[in-house]
Order: sequence, then structure tokens, then C-alpha cells
Amino acid sequence: EVKLVESGGGLVQPGESLRLSCAASGFTFSNYYMTWVRQAPGKGLQWVANIRQDSTQRYYLDSLRGRFTISRDNANNSLHLQINSLRADDTAVYYCARQPVYGDLDHWGQGILVIVSS
Amino acid sequence: QSVLTQPPSASGTPGQRVTISCSGGSSNIGSNYVCWYQQFPGMAPKLLIYRNNQRPSGVPDRFSGSKSGTSASLAISGLRSDDEADYYCAAWDDRLTSGLFGGGTKLTVL
Repeated sequence: EVKLVESGGGLVQPGESLRLSCAASGFTFSNYYMTWVRQAPGKGLQWVANIRQDSTQRYYLDSLRGRFTISRDNANNSLHLQINSLRADDTAVYYCARQPVYGDLDHWGQGILVIVSS
Repeated sequence: QSVLTQPPSASGTPGQRVTISCSGGSSNIGSNYVCWYQQFPGMAPKLLIYRNNQRPSGVPDRFSGSKSGTSASLAISGLRSDDEADYYCAAWDDRLTSGLFGGGTKLTVL
């Protein structure tokens, strides 16, 4: 069974940094692109970033580039998202998702809530 | 405002057929596959359609997808009360080099 479990969220102050993690199991992690998607409270889905199987390609939503860094550890089947200089509008549920060949996201984690507030 | 445009709401009665549109451009829908997701409140999204019109295993054939030029549609036939959810289209954008989601459509079953 494919399983994705996010961790690392919580309440943080504006300007701080946070590292989200996603533990993957039930499939060969190193064979797939992986993606982060977020959803602000009461809002729609927003694509954040994705990373190629071997980490040689990483793409970001343009408005987030520079503050967000996606990375992966194939040896430990984990995906990460480093977020720096957190702002109130980064408050959202962050999902990790598996991305097969054609760009769709076929399995999602349950999501982790990040609240940025003083 | 999303690059992929969906109507914010749609509705139908049980048994009816409803369609949800998704309008984009040449750099996204016009040149890449479209997929659709279903999301219930408080839950993670679920893949409903991939590669424009393919259904993952377990998705009923009441759900179908289509694409023409820079637009795509999701059709739900034999509408049921448990289809009431938010629906999102998505596609890669070659110009932006990022993924895109539509703004989402809230489906109400009357």
C-alpha cells in the first residue's frame, strides 16, 4: 500500500524557518517525481514545487522561488520542503504527493498544517 | 486568479449529468495532459482523471474527462449525493515551468 506521511508542521512566527518532511512507503520512492501542494484555509489547491527522481531537476511556483527549497533522500525514502522567511500567507495545509510519468498526482499524504502567526 | 479557469460552483439533481469546465492556454492545457481531482472537506484530494480522459483503478465510469484545444471538461453522469465535493483541474505549464490548478468548482447535489 502506498503511504505518504507528512510531518514538521505547526505554529511558527513570521520570519522563522520550517522544514517539512514526507515519509514514503509501499513503493519504489526513487522511481518517481515527487510534488508539494498547499491549500490555504478555505482556498483552493496551489502547486508548490516538484523534484525529479535523481534531484537533477527542481521546479517551483515562481512566486515562491528563493524562499522554498525542495529536496529528497532516496536512501531514506523521504521528501522535504524547506521554507524560509515564513509569512502569514504561507499558512496552509501542505500535502506531499507522488507524481507518475504523465504529471498527475496519484497518491497524496494526509497533509500537515502550518500556521504562521505571532 | 488562476491561470486555469473553472466555474466556482455547479449543481445538479440526483441522476442528472453535470459538466465542469476548465479553460487554459496554449502553454498548459493546449500542450499538456489535464487531470482532475476530487476533494471532500477536511480530506486530501483524490485523483479522478489523468491523461485527459483516463480513470485510475476504482474510479467509477460515471466520471469522464475530455480535452479540446485549450479547454477541458469533467462530466459526472448519474449524479449521486456523495459526489458533492470540490473538483479541481490541473495541468503543467511549459512557459511557467510549474504545475497549475484551477480555482476549483464546488459541486452541490440538490
